[in-house]
Amino acid sequence: SAVISQKPSRDICQRGTSLTIQCQVDSQVTMMFWYRQQPGQSLTLIATANQGSEATYESGFVIDKFPISRPNLTFSTLTVSNMSPEDSSIYLCSVSLTGEAFFGQGTRLTVV
Amino acid sequence: GNSVTQMEGPVTLSEEAFLTINCTYTATGYPSLFWYVQYPGEGLQLLLKATKADDKGSNKGFEATYRKETTSFHLEKGSVQVSDSAVYFCALSDLAAGNKLTFGGGTRVLVKP
Repeated sequence: SAVISQKPSRDICQRGTSLTIQCQVDSQVTMMFWYRQQPGQSLTLIATANQGSEATYESGFVIDKFPISRPNLTFSTLTVSNMSPEDSSIYLCSVSLTGEAFFGQGTRLTVV
Repeated sequence: GNSVTQMEGPVTLSEEAFLTINCTYTATGYPSLFWYVQYPGEGLQLLLKATKADDKGSNKGFEATYRKETTSFHLEKGSVQVSDSAVYFCALSDLAAGNKLTFGGGTRVLVKP
């Protein structure tokens, strides 16, 4: 199994600012995934972060808006840039081990 | 591409009632199938999984069988409790897609005493 710690757990931010979310895993993993869960909605994959290479973004998500770092095999950050109220969501970090996905507790972001 | 469709909620039940949440999928390869549960105020937890056709996943009284012929993975529980109130997500992962998870829309279940 994997234990994933995300920080912050929640934040309220002003529009136009940026927030960086941290994700720490207790084991080394090749791929880390970032998801967004908009209010009352399902999870949508934002990007896949591989250590040592640029993240791969899903359709509708771009690096300028959601830059990702992956400096080592246990850590990743997701930045939500130039925020607007539409970015209010829960952002989740996930890893896959032996075919099973594990999730962090999520970061509940409110943009005002 | 891959997709997952599950019944919309909310589903409201009385305690000890039978619960079924339908889930069907579309995948190009041979996916693994999952049910995740999100209790109020908590993160996503794996409830059960099945990795090949005819496999049955089970946990906490919940069951789901991987039906390749109907591309379905319906979740069932014979007698629900108030503590089962949560949002349930059906999902698939496809090795060909790098094990990325594709989620259904989620079904909110409310069990009343």
